[in-house]
Amino acid sequence: GAVVSQHPSWVICKSGTSVKIECRSLDFQATTMFWYRQFPKQSLMLMATSNEGSKATYEQGVEKDKFLINHASLTLSTLTVTSAHPEDSSFYICSARAMDYSYEQYFGPGTRLTVT
Amino acid sequence: AQSVTQPDIHITVSEGASLELRCNYSYGATPYLFWYVQSPGQGLQLLLKYFSGDTLVQGIKGFEAEFKRSQSSFNLRKPSVHWSDAAEYFCAVGATGANNLFFGTGTRLTVIP
Repeated sequence: GAVVSQHPSWVICKSGTSVKIECRSLDFQATTMFWYRQFPKQSLMLMATSNEGSKATYEQGVEKDKFLINHASLTLSTLTVTSAHPEDSSFYICSARAMDYSYEQYFGPGTRLTVT
Repeated sequence: AQSVTQPDIHITVSEGASLELRCNYSYGATPYLFWYVQSPGQGLQLLLKYFSGDTLVQGIKGFEAEFKRSQSSFNLRKPSVHWSDAAEYFCAVGATGANNLFFGTGTRLTVIP
């Protein structure tokens, strides 16, 4: 149980285009989902926290207009990278927390974004 | 401020040898502690967690960790490392009232034959 999927697993896009990444909790309902960014050989950096039905909370320094997050249902959150630039190339990982409000997060497999 | 320190960036051990990965945290509230493992290009897999109770916790793949409040540590151990354990290991801390986890910078484990 507690499986989180991400789609796509990798994507290449041209500079200036937008890319949407989906994060789904497959066998549980997630009140809260988190989006992280990971640079090569570095740790995870929390970008934003999304709660179902409300606006995402962004960490300091993360542009909310560039990284659009939508958490429309208890099993789906999306991250859209708008007007992508090469510096947005990274590994994006989502996680989900179940409705039992435990502090355990279940992580997706990640999405590798390359902007050319 | 919350912080998690993993002092060892890279550790190399021989297959069959014992392993200890260090994790120190700084947190004002009662911490919830986690160890995750990440293989290259993959997401994070939970190895074990500590919320309360017995300070020695057992996890998957033969790993264990011990919570030492006096030392603010949560070190990960395995008595005999397998080649498949080569990966990146992250310690993370959360707390009551906090929404997210704080991650350490990770320790990369290399296993040599």
